[in-house]
Amino acid sequence: DAGVTQSPTHLIKTRGQQVTLRCSPKSGHDTVSWYQQALGQGPQFIFQYYEEEERQRGNFPDRFSGHQFPNYSSELNVNALLLGDSALYLCASQTENTEAFFGQGTRLTVV
Amino acid sequence: AQTVTQSQPEMSVQEAETVTLSCTYDTSESNYYLFWYKQPPSRQMILVIRQEAYKQQNATENRFSVNFQKAAKSFSLKISDSQLGDTAMYFCAFIFYNTDKLIFGTGTRLQVFP
Repeated sequence: DAGVTQSPTHLIKTRGQQVTLRCSPKSGHDTVSWYQQALGQGPQFIFQYYEEEERQRGNFPDRFSGHQFPNYSSELNVNALLLGDSALYLCASQTENTEAFFGQGTRLTVV
Repeated sequence: AQTVTQSQPEMSVQEAETVTLSCTYDTSESNYYLFWYKQPPSRQMILVIRQEAYKQQNATENRFSVNFQKAAKSFSLKISDSQLGDTAMYFCAFIFYNTDKLIFGTGTRLQVFP
């Protein structure tokens, strides 16, 4: 079992650009959550997807959007990038009554 | 507001010694889970231990144990017989029963030295 896999591992973008991050959940998991971890901070919940629908959302602007595919994999899209969007983006997957398993994250740098 | 406070930004301990990391939280909910996660330089968040709020007995996982004081909203992590591989960031977090949204603290950087 490969666990939760995220791609790419590192990414550099310019202000104003758009970015797409990808996540493949652990085998058997149907729920995917995304977190933003700024330098020196704990992760902050962005949103969660289940059955291809956004089920919960944290305090993030509409520039942050997502998608879940029928195979449960997920994408996080960020439009109109700001310098403050530079962070580690973590994906976590789970299924009912299991704890969240995290991927190794995507390090996004906005210049 | 639901918050988690980790008041120790950095801690250090000698190999084989014991160290305790502190965590307090604030919530008006009564049903929740508490967690300690470890984040080594590889960046992957790894679950260390979890505690269900309705259980009075403190959770234990090998060298890791917690001191859960529900009334005080305190949830500390004790690491016994510290090993070099325990060097990492440690995050305290909680989650409510009817949601899957983890709320994290700001972390404690633990350095284990020989």
